[in-house]
Amino acid sequence: GQQVQQSPASLVLQEGENAELQCNFSSTATRLQWFYQRPGGSLVSLLSNPSGTKHTGRLTSTTVTKERRGSLHISSSQITDSGTYLCAMATGGNNKLTFGQGTVLSVIP
Amino acid sequence: EAAVTQSPRSKVAVTGGKVTLSCHQTNNHDYMYWYRQDTGHGLRLIHYSYVADSTEKGDIPDGYKASRPSQENFSLILELASLSQTAVYFCASRDNSNERLFFGHGTKLSVL
Repeated sequence: GQQVQQSPASLVLQEGENAELQCNFSSTATRLQWFYQRPGGSLVSLLSNPSGTKHTGRLTSTTVTKERRGSLHISSSQITDSGTYLCAMATGGNNKLTFGQGTVLSVIP
Repeated sequence: EAAVTQSPRSKVAVTGGKVTLSCHQTNNHDYMYWYRQDTGHGLRLIHYSYVADSTEKGDIPDGYKASRPSQENFSLILELASLSQTAVYFCASRDNSNERLFFGHGTKLSVL
């Protein structure tokens, strides 16, 4: 079946540094989505990006569909950005999402 | 903001018992999903539905049934709970216009 690989598995940054999270998928995806999850918490949709580059606030999502990869850039990280970032690819006419295992981000003072 | 409500928030069940997890959305969304999350893993799709009275199998449907009696409600049923079904279960609905997913707070299920 489809697979989604995220890297790194974990990342520690000092407040103010930038983060670059990677997502690679095994088959052609129609859309790549990024989610944020606090420890023990629910998931919040951050960005949905079929291809190209999309910005919202300090977040930039880049999807290169032909190369089966995507990335999430977080600029000027803040302590409140700490948590798990999950990418998911849409398949089956966008009706199903397959998730990666996530990148655990820790932002320290 | 779209709302998805799950109940219960946590549950302890005995092996072989029946468990029903409920999900309610007030978003008027067509698609609803049930995912499970295990420690250190991403989410895996169990069942989903795009219309009332119809459900579809996801990637790991074995041991689970789903029911969509109305557009607002989507239930996940474990007829014979097993230890391996201990996990956190998330329900989600999908916005019809932009395909954005909205998740509930999750149900932590422990099968003993």
